[in-house]
Amino acid sequence: KQEVTQIPAALSVPEGENLVLNCSFTDSAIYNLQWFRQDPGKGLTSLLLIQSSQREQTSGRLNASLDKSSGRSTLYIAASQPGDSATYLCAVRGGSEKLVFGKGTKLTVNP
Amino acid sequence: NAGVMQNPRHLVRRRGQEARLRCSPMKGHSHVYWYRQLPEEGLKFMVYLQKENIIDESGMPKERFSAEFPKEGPSILRIQQVVRGDSAAYFCASSPDREDGYTFGSGTRLTVV
Repeated sequence: KQEVTQIPAALSVPEGENLVLNCSFTDSAIYNLQWFRQDPGKGLTSLLLIQSSQREQTSGRLNASLDKSSGRSTLYIAASQPGDSATYLCAVRGGSEKLVFGKGTKLTVNP
Repeated sequence: NAGVMQNPRHLVRRRGQEARLRCSPMKGHSHVYWYRQLPEEGLKFMVYLQKENIIDESGMPKERFSAEFPKEGPSILRIQQVVRGDSAAYFCASSPDREDGYTFGSGTRLTVV
């Protein structure tokens, strides 16, 4: 059974800092991995999708890496801004259609 | 191209009533998924549907919950005889194909009083 863990559960940083969010999964037989952002009381916004054959994806100040063999992914946020404050969710997709989510990392970027 | 549309955004039901949650996938997306987010918990898979077919309902409670995705119209998640424990945010997602990422709707927040 796939399990996804995100560390840390919460993170508070000053504006401008570079930061890394971690995601680990127990079953390396994944199809893809997706990072989402969720603002309080809102839906999920897809940030980056990494297929199992890829090592990383980049979008603006965000970079996500995938090491399938070790069951790990990281989301790197450069030059953080207060608008980046949100909960970041990691989700993996295995052979079945369902996404398995971690519980998220709640990020607060202080001005 | 509108995103995944869910309605209503908020729904209040008394215990024992029925709740109907609607989801219109993105144009061109034939795969629909429902997830539930309980307070202080992660998102949990409920059901995966394609047009007129339930593909995987392994995450659905065995009783009171049902889902459909008819040939015409939105996907419906139906909860009969709601109880307080059904209070949660229900999210719908769609994808064009199995290899693609999901696009989520804004969710329906169900409160049972």
